Formats: sequence, C-alpha cells, structure tokens
Amino acid sequence: AQTVTQSQPEMSVQEAETVTLSCTYDTSENNYYLFWYKQPPSRQMILVIRQEAYKQQNATENRFSVNFQKAAKSFSLKISDSQLGDTAMYFCAFMKHSTGANSKLTFGKGITLSVRP
Amino acid sequence: DAGVTQSPTHLIKTRGQQVTLRCSPKSGHDTVSWYQQALGQGPQFIFQYYEEEERQRGNFPDRFSGHQFPNYSSELNVNALLLGDSALYLCASSLQGANEQFFGPGTRLTVL
Repeated sequence: AQTVTQSQPEMSVQEAETVTLSCTYDTSENNYYLFWYKQPPSRQMILVIRQEAYKQQNATENRFSVNFQKAAKSFSLKISDSQLGDTAMYFCAFMKHSTGANSKLTFGKGITLSVRP
Repeated sequence: DAGVTQSPTHLIKTRGQQVTLRCSPKSGHDTVSWYQQALGQGPQFIFQYYEEEERQRGNFPDRFSGHQFPNYSSELNVNALLLGDSALYLCASSLQGANEQFFGPGTRLTVL
C-alpha cells in the first residue's frame, strides 16, 4: 500500500514571494505518478502539476515547479511569485502506473496555504 | 465543453436513511472514480467504475455501492447512514489508460 505524508498543516506567504510545500511518500512501486492538486475555497479540485517517476527532469508549469527526489521519496512544490489566487488547500497525491484499469489516487492530508496581500 | 458535474450540491439526511449522489463525467471520459473527503482531510478513494462495472474498491463497507450507466454517468449510494458519513463526496472522471483525473465540485452530505 502507498502512503502520502504532508506534515505541514498550514503555511503563509507574502504576495510575490516564493513558497515551498513539502510532501513525502512511501511505495514499493517503481513506476508511478505524483501530483499536486489545488482545492480553493470554492471546493473544485484542480490539477496543478504532474510528475512521472521515470522522468529525472523536474516538472514545471509556469510559476509552479517541483523538486522530485525519487530515492528520498520526496516531492515538493515550489510556487514562485505567489498570487492571492494561490490561496487554497494543496494536496499531494500518488498514483501507481497501470497498463490496464486506471489506478486510484492516494492523497495526503493537505496543506492550507494563505497568501497575504 | 462541460466539465464534471455533480448533483445535488448539498444534502442533509438523518441517521439510518439512504442517499444517492450523481455524477456526469467530462465529455469523452469513460471512467468514474468516487472519493470521500472528511472536513480538513484529503480525499479517500471509495471505488471506480469502468464499462458499467466496479473495477477497484477502497476500504469502505458494503453500505457504499455504485452504478455506472451506458452514458458513463454514475451514482453513489450509501445505505444506513451514520454520522461519520458526513463529508464532501467527490466524483472524478478520466479516460481509460490516462493518468489524469478531473474532479467535480462535490456533494456536501450532512448526516444528523
């Protein structure tokens, strides 16, 4: 079974600054995907960024980038130039690779990020 | 292109009652997964449907059941409701073989 741990329940950052959200996971799988999802106060969960475990290069999406350390089973999210709209709950999630049926997502407990004006 | 939709938005039930939640997947998606999100927690996987069959199941009792229709929409049924079933129920759709899941806005279930 896989587990995802987000040990920081809350973080706060000043607008325009950079913040890093931490995530660790445990798995015996070698081929898998890692995700960061954002859930704003309006509730709808949206995908922020995705990393394939077989790729050594860290994924980036505009102001969002990850630091993927496979050996350490660490997957942190860096948000640059923080904006007020980044205020949300952020979830780290794991999905094992499957050639057949789609796999389930295993989520961490989430971290509440507040961006201060 | 409509995304994932869920109904109703909110629901209040009493202990022992039964409830049905509904989900319409994003256009073109054939797989529906259901998650339960307790307040302040991450979503927990309930089950997944593909080709009208339950393909995977999480650690939830048989009181939780589901269905997928030929148009790929899905229902989640919960019988004999308990106070602990109060949560946000999220539906996510995907295309079989793809790793990205798209989430709906959720149904907030309150059990009194």
